[in-house]
Amino acid sequence: DQQVKQNSPSLSVQEGRISILNCDYTNSMFDYFLWYKKYPAEGPTFLISISSIKDKNEDGRFTVFLNKSAKHLSLHIVPSQPGDSAVYFCAATRFNSGGSNYKLTFGKGTLLTVNP
Amino acid sequence: SQTIHQWPATLVQPVGSPLSLECTVEGTSNPNLYWYRQAAGRGLQLLFYSVGIGQISSEVPQNLSASRPQDRQFILSSKKLLLSDSGFYLCAWIGSAAIEQYFGPGTRLTVT
Repeated sequence: DQQVKQNSPSLSVQEGRISILNCDYTNSMFDYFLWYKKYPAEGPTFLISISSIKDKNEDGRFTVFLNKSAKHLSLHIVPSQPGDSAVYFCAATRFNSGGSNYKLTFGKGTLLTVNP
Repeated sequence: SQTIHQWPATLVQPVGSPLSLECTVEGTSNPNLYWYRQAAGRGLQLLFYSVGIGQISSEVPQNLSASRPQDRQFILSSKKLLLSDSGFYLCAWIGSAAIEQYFGPGTRLTVT
């Protein structure tokens, strides 16, 4: 049962344009969402996150939008740069579950290619 | 600042051989520690996590085990490797009262 889904395995965009990466989740108990970026043969790096009490969070060129009713979030990268080419993972967790053993549930990732 | 180390970076092992992967964290105390595996074409699968010394929780029944002998050390082991154990193994940590996990550089394991 895949609770976090990234239905697009790959996305290709032109440099300078907007990249939109999508993520859907099925577990309504998730209340905190994260995006990670991963280069080949490296560990993922944390990019941006959003709590379920918000519908938007922005950090420089990166903006995450959350639509709780649709159980959908998206990552927008504007403008896209060739260095953004990587695999992007969406992750979700229950922040308010109590305790300290937070576990992240990851999607399968989307490979973004930004063409010069 | 906090740093997470993993070794070895790459490993080629025959089927049936033992495995020991090590992860250490610097610059923090009492972190939560996690082992993930990324198999070819798959997402990140949580294997084990630990909230303290000697405390291990297993997420997926498998051929692997984990131990936490020291506060900032997390070890992934196997007595006999299977072909299906091949993958990219990642260690991650999280500080107290935080949510974002930070990952190590990973170990590429190929079982032949």
